[in-house]
Amino acid sequence: AQSVTQPDIHITVSEGASLELRCNYSYGATPYLFWYVQSPGQGLQLLLKYFSGDTLVQGIKGFEAEFKRSQSSFNLRKPSVHWSDAAEYFCAVAPKEYGNKLVFGAGTILRVKS
Amino acid sequence: DAMVIQNPRYQVTQFGKPVTLSCSQTLNHNVMYWYQQKSSQAPKLLFHYYDKDFNNEADTPDNFQSRRPNTSFCFLDIRSPGLGDAAMYLCATSRTRGDTQYFGPGTRLTVL
Repeated sequence: AQSVTQPDIHITVSEGASLELRCNYSYGATPYLFWYVQSPGQGLQLLLKYFSGDTLVQGIKGFEAEFKRSQSSFNLRKPSVHWSDAAEYFCAVAPKEYGNKLVFGAGTILRVKS
Repeated sequence: DAMVIQNPRYQVTQFGKPVTLSCSQTLNHNVMYWYQQKSSQAPKLLFHYYDKDFNNEADTPDNFQSRRPNTSFCFLDIRSPGLGDAAMYLCATSRTRGDTQYFGPGTRLTVL
C-alpha cells in the first residue's frame, strides 16, 4: 500500500547530541517531500522541503534532510539538539498520483534530556 | 506577521450544537485546506478549496461542511458535533496544489 512511514514513534536524545529522524515513502514517482514540526497545542511549522535538485536540503533551526531516491527516504538530521527542539516531527509527501495533496507520516515525538 | 489565522484558538460546544471555526490568510493563496488532528495522530485532510472549487475527501463525514466566501476566509461548519469530533482543527494554505502548505495555529474543539 502507498504510505509514508516514520518508524520511530518516540526518540530521546541528550542535549547537544546529534539527531536523525527517519522517513520512508512508497509512491511511484518521487513526490514532493516535507518535514514539519509541531509543538504541543500548536499548528505545524515547515522545517524544510524538497521538490527537485540538490538532494541535501537545509531548513530552519539548523535542520537538514537528505533525499535518497534509491531508498525512498527523506531523513531529517540535526548535528546538535537543543532542549527547545523537543516536539513532534511529521514527515509529509505530496504524491502526484494523489493530486499532490499532503500525506503525513504518523509522527515522531522527540524528547530532549539535559 | 501572522499569515494563517484561526479563530477561536479554543472552542467548547455541546453535543449536537452546531459550531463554526474560522480561518483567514494574508498570503493571497489560491488553496485553503482543513485538517482534523486527533490526539497523538497525524493530521487528516477533510477537504480543500482551490479558489472557489470545493474538493471533499471521500471519507469526510457529511456532518462537516465548509464555506469560502472570498480568497481570504474559509470556514469549517460542524452541523451536529459528536464526542468523536473533539480534535484539533488545522487550516492551511498553499499557492497552488502540491506547493508548500502553511498552517495556522489550530483550533482545539471540545465537545461536552
